[in-house]
Amino acid sequence: DAGVIQSPRHEVTEMGQEVTLRCKPISGHNSLFWYRQTMMRGLELLIYFNNNVPIDDSGMPEDRFSAKMPNASFSTLKIQPSEPRDSAVYFCASSPTLNEQFFGPGTRLTVL
Amino acid sequence: GENVEQHPSTLSVQEGDSAVIKCTYSDSASNYFPWYKQELGKGPQLIIDIRSNVGEKKDQRIAVTLNKTAKHFSLHITETQPEDSAVYFCAASIGEGGSNYKLTFGKGTLLTVNP
Repeated sequence: DAGVIQSPRHEVTEMGQEVTLRCKPISGHNSLFWYRQTMMRGLELLIYFNNNVPIDDSGMPEDRFSAKMPNASFSTLKIQPSEPRDSAVYFCASSPTLNEQFFGPGTRLTVL
Repeated sequence: GENVEQHPSTLSVQEGDSAVIKCTYSDSASNYFPWYKQELGKGPQLIIDIRSNVGEKKDQRIAVTLNKTAKHFSLHITETQPEDSAVYFCAASIGEGGSNYKLTFGKGTLLTVNP
């Protein structure tokens, strides 16, 4: 079992650039979550997909953030344009039951 | 919305001692309370969870207790080992339509177990 796979693991970019984070959920899991982790705000849910459909995007901070799930094995989180305050660790998680969530290793994003 | 407070923010114990981490929640409708362990450079991993119809749950050296009246729950780790060193997060969730997908996390506790 490979677990949730995220890429890249680290991303450094300049303010104003587009950033795309990628996630492959665990096979057979029909729910997918994107989280952001910062020292100030802790772990925050950004968006939740069920069966590839966005169900709750109330945590997406602003229109610069968008997420897609074109199929059951792939999701992206895009930030355009990026800003320094977007620097954080972004986690993807998947779940078979809508209860226990399995987290990936995260992508550490630094926006200069 | 739900608010979860977690204490202490850091905890240092000697190997073999017990460790206790406490969380309080604000919304009495919350009914699912998981605990996650996050090691350096990794994502959080579920270690134990409890539902509101249960007061206590144990899994080997780990136990969780829930007091619904006081709206607080605690993680107890006995016989601590150096590999227990990590950041521990509590969370609370209000079940909607049979699912508890929306977790509100505490700010975390950095546990250090000294050999």
